[in-house]
Amino acid sequence: KAGVTQTPRYLIKTRGQQVTLSCSPISGHRSVSWYQQTPGQGLQFLFEYFSETQRNKGNFPGRFSGRQFSNSRSEMNVSTLELGDSALYLCASSKSRGRGTDTQYFGPGTRLTVL
Amino acid sequence: AQSVSQHNHHVILSEAASLELGCNYSYGGTVNLFWYVQYPGQHLQLLLKYFSGDPLVKGIKGFEAEFIKSKFSFNLRKPSVQWSDTAEYFCAVGGRDDKIIFGKGTRLHILP
Repeated sequence: KAGVTQTPRYLIKTRGQQVTLSCSPISGHRSVSWYQQTPGQGLQFLFEYFSETQRNKGNFPGRFSGRQFSNSRSEMNVSTLELGDSALYLCASSKSRGRGTDTQYFGPGTRLTVL
Repeated sequence: AQSVSQHNHHVILSEAASLELGCNYSYGGTVNLFWYVQYPGQHLQLLLKYFSGDPLVKGIKGFEAEFIKSKFSFNLRKPSVQWSDTAEYFCAVGGRDDKIIFGKGTRLHILP
């Protein structure tokens, strides 16, 4: 069974631009969560989607948004990029809703660098 | 406030040494506990988890963790580490409120 895939793997953008990241979950998984990973801060939860609906959202500004499609694939968008948005963005999928109760399977991440 | 604390940010050990990585949490209600590991160049993956039952949980690659409810702890242990255990380890706590909180991670470096 194929794992979680994320595209692109690397991105370099400049301040003020916007970016869209994509995540394809494991087949049959309906929940997709997004995290921002930075050195020293660990994983910060962005949002979770289940059945095309945002179920939970972390403490990030409105510049961060996402969506999920009927095939469970998900995208996240960051508008008006800031230097502090440079990070590894991880996508995780799980069979059911419930990040706190279900094992999450992580993708390789997208490394975003904002210049 | 809900939180997870990993006391050691960076640990350096020699091969065959014993390992214990601390994890303490603050979380109301019934908790589910996880340790995830990120090997260099690889995806973050589950090492072990505790939902209920025996508080001593065994995971992959010889790792184990013990849930001590009275101490709000879920420390990770391995009796004899190998060079291949070099990785970053994350403790996480989740609950039935659908939230999960990750610690900031511990970088483990094993000297050959």
